[in-house]
Amino acid sequence: ILNVEQSPQSLHVQEGDSTNFTCSFPSSNFYALHWYRWETAKSPEALFVMTLNGDEKKKGRISATLNTKEGYSYLYIKGSQPEDSATYLCASHHRDDKIIFGKGTRLHILP
Amino acid sequence: DAGVTQSPTHLIKTRGQHVTLRCSPISGHKSVSWYQQVLGQGPQFIFQYYEKEERGRGNFPDRFSARQFPNYSSELNVNALLLGDSALYLCASSFINEQFFGPGTRLTVL
Repeated sequence: ILNVEQSPQSLHVQEGDSTNFTCSFPSSNFYALHWYRWETAKSPEALFVMTLNGDEKKKGRISATLNTKEGYSYLYIKGSQPEDSATYLCASHHRDDKIIFGKGTRLHILP
Repeated sequence: DAGVTQSPTHLIKTRGQHVTLRCSPISGHKSVSWYQQVLGQGPQFIFQYYEKEERGRGNFPDRFSARQFPNYSSELNVNALLLGDSALYLCASSFINEQFFGPGTRLTVL
């Protein structure tokens, strides 16, 4: 059974602090790694898609890295703001067209 | 430009009934995927369709079926509903590597 593991499950961060969390995914048949932000009562919003080992993507204060050989990705948030509070999902996409989501990291930004 | 739309927003059914959920992808997107998300879990992949053909299927029983129409919209059908089918059903349309999700249909089975 292929699993995507995200850690931590939940995180409380003081406003202004930086934080990061991890996604571990099966590296066999790997095609792409997706990160999403999911706010309550909204659709998951795509943050990044990464395909190549060593990929780094950045969008404003949020960035992500990818290591396909060891099967992990990090998401970094710099200078957390209240609007960053959400669940962050990662999903690995494999060449057999299977897409596997982790359970997410629930991020709470404390004022 | 409209994003992915899903209907209905909410649905209540009883055990044994069947349900049809609908999804319209973003204009120009030919691929649609369906996911089931139960509380506390990540979305679970059910199906992917591309150009009206099934491209991928997750570990769901045969009670779950789907199809894609010539206009690339899609339906997810679930027969003989069980209490455990209560979940948020998400549809996503994709272009190249990127997926865009709809707001979901919340199904409650009583």
